[in-house]
Amino acid sequence: KAGVTQTPRYLIKTRGQQVTLSCSPISGHRSVSWYQQTPGQGLQFLFEYFSETQRNKGNFPGRFSGRQFSNSRSEMNVSTLELGDSALYLCASSLGGRGSTEAFFGQGTRLTVV
Amino acid sequence: KQEVTQIPAALSVPEGENLVLNCSFTDSAIYNLQWFRQDPGKGLTSLLLIQSSQREQTSGRLNASLDKSSGRSTLYIAASQPGDSATYLCAVRKTGANNLFFGTGTRLTVIP
Repeated sequence: KAGVTQTPRYLIKTRGQQVTLSCSPISGHRSVSWYQQTPGQGLQFLFEYFSETQRNKGNFPGRFSGRQFSNSRSEMNVSTLELGDSALYLCASSLGGRGSTEAFFGQGTRLTVV
Repeated sequence: KQEVTQIPAALSVPEGENLVLNCSFTDSAIYNLQWFRQDPGKGLTSLLLIQSSQREQTSGRLNASLDKSSGRSTLYIAASQPGDSATYLCAVRKTGANNLFFGTGTRLTVIP
């Protein structure tokens, strides 16, 4: 059974650009959550999608957005990149019942903003 | 707001030693708690999931306990090996939500 797949693994972008990250969940999982990991702030929740709808959102500016497709794959977009957006972005997949199931993480996308 | 704390931040032990990692959380209204390990630059690997109604879970050399009323969980690693060297993270899931609140992690080094 394939795990959670995130692409690309590494990205280098310039300030002001935008970026799109992709996450393919485990087959049968309907919930995809995104997290940002930085040395200073640790792991912080960005948002969760379930059945193509954003179900929950963390405390991040509107430059961070996402969507989910009918096959449960999800994309995350960051516009007008800032140096502080440099981080490891992780997505987690779960079956999706509220508060009920184990989360499985991908290998992450390392974003560097220069 | 849920806050999760892990102590110690770093731990170094000789191979073969048994060890305990600690996790505490401020809001006891949790649905479950999950322990992960993270190797440098990599994603998170799920180790154990404990539902709020459970007291402990075991997998191989790992045993996690949960005391919801006191807001604490421990991860016990028996007979540590160099391959156990990683950062260990605990995360709690609140009732009615699917997002995880993470601790800052314990960086474990097992010395051969």
